[in-house]
Amino acid sequence: AQRVTQPEKLLSVFKGAPVELKCNYSYSGSPELFWYVQYSRQRLQLLLRHISRESIKGFTADLNKGETSFHLKKPFAQEEDSAMYYCAPPNDYKLSFGAGTTVTVRA
Amino acid sequence: EPEVTQTPSHQVTQMGQEVILRCVPISNHLYFYWYRQILGQKVEFLVSFYNNEISEKSEIFDDQFSVERPDGSNFTLKIRSTKLEDSAMYFCAINDRENTDTQYFGPGTRLTVL
Repeated sequence: AQRVTQPEKLLSVFKGAPVELKCNYSYSGSPELFWYVQYSRQRLQLLLRHISRESIKGFTADLNKGETSFHLKKPFAQEEDSAMYYCAPPNDYKLSFGAGTTVTVRA
Repeated sequence: EPEVTQTPSHQVTQMGQEVILRCVPISNHLYFYWYRQILGQKVEFLVSFYNNEISEKSEIFDDQFSVERPDGSNFTLKIRSTKLEDSAMYFCAINDRENTDTQYFGPGTRLTVL
């Protein structure tokens, strides 16, 4: 089963600054990974899946097999990016969420 | 993106009472899931449901919990005798019809057990 670690529980950045949320996985082989976001009082939403390799809301995430990481990055954080972010690998069709990182973007 | 609604949005109940949480996907899907999130904690998998039967359940999903699709559209989570520690947000999710790994979540039901 795939497991992930999100080492930062809280992350505070200023608006316009770069933001990077760390996610490390423990799985041999080719992992599949997602980033989900939960804005205040809203549902969990799929932000990125590594297979698509696309950028959503300015966020990107690159799978680094050497470092076993799937860090989420955005070069210029916006206030509306304040949310809870979860790294999540699928395991037999269910999602196993990491502990999550709360991002606060300050003006 | 598939749409999922959940009712009620907030349920307050007394300890020992039964509660039924409902999930209504707008279109037909094969896989259904329930997750819960205790305040301040991570989202935890409870159960997956495929082809009208449970395909997998976590250790959290004990005999107090049950799921069913009573009418082929609604997907329900029943907690038979609620405990204080059942207080949490409960999220329903469905899989993407084309890709079973991508899940779409409902807005959640906040359950408060007093």
